[in-house]
Amino acid sequence: QSVLTQPPSVSAAPGQKVTISCSGSSSNIGNNYVSWYQQLPGTAPKLLIYENNKRPSGIPDRFSGSKSGTSATLGITGLQTGDEADYYCGTWDSSLSAGKVFGGGTKLTVL
Amino acid sequence: QVQLQESGPGLVKPSQTLSLTCTVSGGSISSGSYYWSWIRQPAGKGLEWIGRIYTSGSTNYNPSLKSRVTISVDTSKNQFSLKLSSVTAADTAVYYCAREDTLGEIWGQGTLVTVSS
Repeated sequence: QSVLTQPPSVSAAPGQKVTISCSGSSSNIGNNYVSWYQQLPGTAPKLLIYENNKRPSGIPDRFSGSKSGTSATLGITGLQTGDEADYYCGTWDSSLSAGKVFGGGTKLTVL
Repeated sequence: QVQLQESGPGLVKPSQTLSLTCTVSGGSISSGSYYWSWIRQPAGKGLEWIGRIYTSGSTNYNPSLKSRVTISVDTSKNQFSLKLSSVTAADTAVYYCAREDTLGEIWGQGTLVTVSS
């Protein structure tokens, strides 16, 4: 059971927009920055978004992040077949069991 | 461009200690302000953070693994390492090393470690 809750799967057609949610609590998302990762099949996770809404160099602006309260959202516009991957949210948890925590991951299918 | 590469035994026996090394190329492990982290992923499952070491040498560990984990840095070899003691089959996973700073993260490609007799 992951500390952060993500939907197991989402799907959309090429060219469309999709959002992936990540729900947490005040000890993690509510008081810390959220990161998002893309994991293509058979590869290592790659950072897409950090500090809630910032993109590392080289990440297209089709990817966006937002945070409100204890939830965060990853948005992907102009979907491409190459976007099919698992997506994970992550943040720091400041509770007594402090450490970095991840969501369970969301499988994106581009139909 | 900084790159990270994990290395170590792919097979470890139960109750033994898993030891992995992450070699950093394209930059010095002792310069700048970075967190050097280990994350693992069992087959078909999600990511689990193991712990990290800061440039200063301070460490943070996953509370569920803390009693078994040690992360250290060897500046002379530009490497940092992971030791996980008393392993069981539940520790079988792909292990990733990563560098984190205020501008983002860089991950290694990962290495599969299987715990089996």
